[in-house]
Amino acid sequence: AQSVTQPDIHITVSEGASLELRCNYSYGATPYLFWYVQSPGQGLQLLLKYFSGDTLVQGIKGFEAEFKRSQSSFNLRKPSVHWSDAAEYFCAVGPIKAAGNKLTFGGGTRVLVKP
Amino acid sequence: IAGITQAPTSQILAAGRRMTLRCTQDMRHNAMYWYRQDLGLGLRLIHYSNTAGTTGKGEVPDGYSVSRANTDDFPLTLASAVPSQTSVYFCARDTQYFGPGTRLTVL
Repeated sequence: AQSVTQPDIHITVSEGASLELRCNYSYGATPYLFWYVQSPGQGLQLLLKYFSGDTLVQGIKGFEAEFKRSQSSFNLRKPSVHWSDAAEYFCAVGPIKAAGNKLTFGGGTRVLVKP
Repeated sequence: IAGITQAPTSQILAAGRRMTLRCTQDMRHNAMYWYRQDLGLGLRLIHYSNTAGTTGKGEVPDGYSVSRANTDDFPLTLASAVPSQTSVYFCARDTQYFGPGTRLTVL
């Protein structure tokens, strides 16, 4: 069975500092990986996804993620956070080429940004 | 811009009552999903539909049913609500577009 672990429930970072959110997955085949952001009271917005190819993926809002097969990880990074990046972030994994993309989500990491 | 609408925005429901959460998309995409979001658990898939006329069970289907009479609508029904179904429910179209959610409280 597939699973996703986000080890950090909360992270506090100063505005302008770098941010890294960890994501580890368990999956029996080549995974389809995603990062989403959820602002308070809102739905999820897709930041980026990895299917194949270059293991460093660029997304929206200045985020990037690196797929490391040997570590079963897909960590999200941003070089310099803005106050508007305060939100909850979810990593997800799904099957490639399956009928429908039934995603499994991690528990989320809440990011607080200090002025 | 592709959109997903959900209704109602929020609802307080007495246990044992029947409730249907509505989801409508405007891009005629085949695959649609219902998730529930609970603190610390992320989102968990309830039911999905790959195309009109077909549905499937996700990770936590018990107590819920769905139908897909046409491409645009994908309602989720709680036949007899229980307090453990208190949650925020999200409808999604493919992996990219999520609705704004329905916050449901069952008392």
